[in-house]
Amino acid sequence: NAGVTQTPKFQVLKTGQSMTLQCAQDMNHEYMSWYRQDPGMGLRLIHYSVGAGITDQGEVPNGYNVSRSTTEDFPLRLLSAAPSQTSVYFCASSRTGGGIVRETQYFGPGTRLLVL
Amino acid sequence: RKEVEQDPGPFNVPEGATVAFNCTYSNSASQSFFWYRQDCRKEPKLLMSVYSSGNEDGRFTAQLNRASQYISLLIRDSKLSDSATYLCVVNNVRNTGFQKLVFGTGTRLLVSP
Repeated sequence: NAGVTQTPKFQVLKTGQSMTLQCAQDMNHEYMSWYRQDPGMGLRLIHYSVGAGITDQGEVPNGYNVSRSTTEDFPLRLLSAAPSQTSVYFCASSRTGGGIVRETQYFGPGTRLLVL
Repeated sequence: RKEVEQDPGPFNVPEGATVAFNCTYSNSASQSFFWYRQDCRKEPKLLMSVYSSGNEDGRFTAQLNRASQYISLLIRDSKLSDSATYLCVVNNVRNTGFQKLVFGTGTRLLVSP
């Protein structure tokens, strides 16, 4: 198993550009999520999904879109990049038991994004 | 008030020392609790889940106090390799029935020779 994979590893964007951060997992996990991590702020949840076709907003959803058409993939779209979106982005997945995340969240290696 | 609060540290300890971290959470409905470890410029990885009765994994002991809404992590006989940031994580169930994991900002540990 590859676990959770993310592409790209690094990206530089200009303000106003759009892009999609890719995330895929091969563990058949229902729960997937996107976080951003900034110095002193910790990991903040952007969007998450409890299964194909079901997504919900996290703490900081503005400026980002997600969709979950398959169990494996959970892409994050930046609609119009802003310097405030400069951050490290992590995708994560886990199984759920009884609808509750009780088990390990597996994280991808992260995408470092710089918006100029 | 933050949903999950941790002392950012850093905690500087010598090898062999015992060190403890605490974490408080605000949502009394939280159902699952975890400690994650994050090395510099790497992704977080699960260190251990935290159970109501307390649990131990080698040199690591985790405790949960639901009444006071805090979680602790105790590391005995610290190793240089324990140097990392330790993240406290709780699971909050929203009124939609969906749930989300909330991460603390982390406590940094530096173990010196």
